[in-house]
Amino acid sequence: DGGITQSPKYLFRKEGQNVTLSCEQNLNHDAMYWYRQDPGQGLRLIYYSQIVNDFQKGDIAEGYSVSREKKESFPLTVTSAQKNPTAFYLCASSPRGGGGKTQYFGPGTRLLVL
Amino acid sequence: AQKVTQAQTEISVVEKEDVTLDCVYETRDTTYYLFWYKQPPSGELVFLIRRNSFDEQNEISGRYSWNFQKSTSSFNFTITASQVVDSAVYFCALSRGNYGQNFVFGPGTRLSVLP
Repeated sequence: DGGITQSPKYLFRKEGQNVTLSCEQNLNHDAMYWYRQDPGQGLRLIYYSQIVNDFQKGDIAEGYSVSREKKESFPLTVTSAQKNPTAFYLCASSPRGGGGKTQYFGPGTRLLVL
Repeated sequence: AQKVTQAQTEISVVEKEDVTLDCVYETRDTTYYLFWYKQPPSGELVFLIRRNSFDEQNEISGRYSWNFQKSTSSFNFTITASQVVDSAVYFCALSRGNYGQNFVFGPGTRLSVLP
């Protein structure tokens, strides 16, 4: 079954701690994305990557970091600099090659601050 | 700048009623793409439809239909004979045609279908 997996489903962060959210896809997609969703709001783009070893900041990149060492994987680190990290985080992927490609989403990770 | 507006924050209907979710978009691009996604309580966004700016033909898929009107910059979504399983948050999104694949999402409409 092709798809996107995210882990863990729930994640708890202590003050000053960095945490990493996992995103893996087996759809052979080149592009991957991270979004943040706050209650009652739409999705906002954090980072995206069009190809391995390359990524760009989205609209709300401050306090987050990513890496793209493998085509299948695009982990997101929420650093201690992110002062309000409580949110639902969604990873997505799409084929590369121009605009308008459909993005497919994983099940999400809910991050809570202790 | 691109923008997507979903003016209906929440809608409640009784099962078997028809319901239309509104989506109005803003863009200066001549080539663009519009999408609808469904987010059930589990949280995962499920892709429903993709439409490019050159194709104004309405589309029907089972109980779902979409009405794309460039003249009013709208891409509305109708569910016919709604069912409890249709209860979810629905998002409309806009993607630029030639400058990457970044989406602009609307704030979503929460649909509750009551038995």
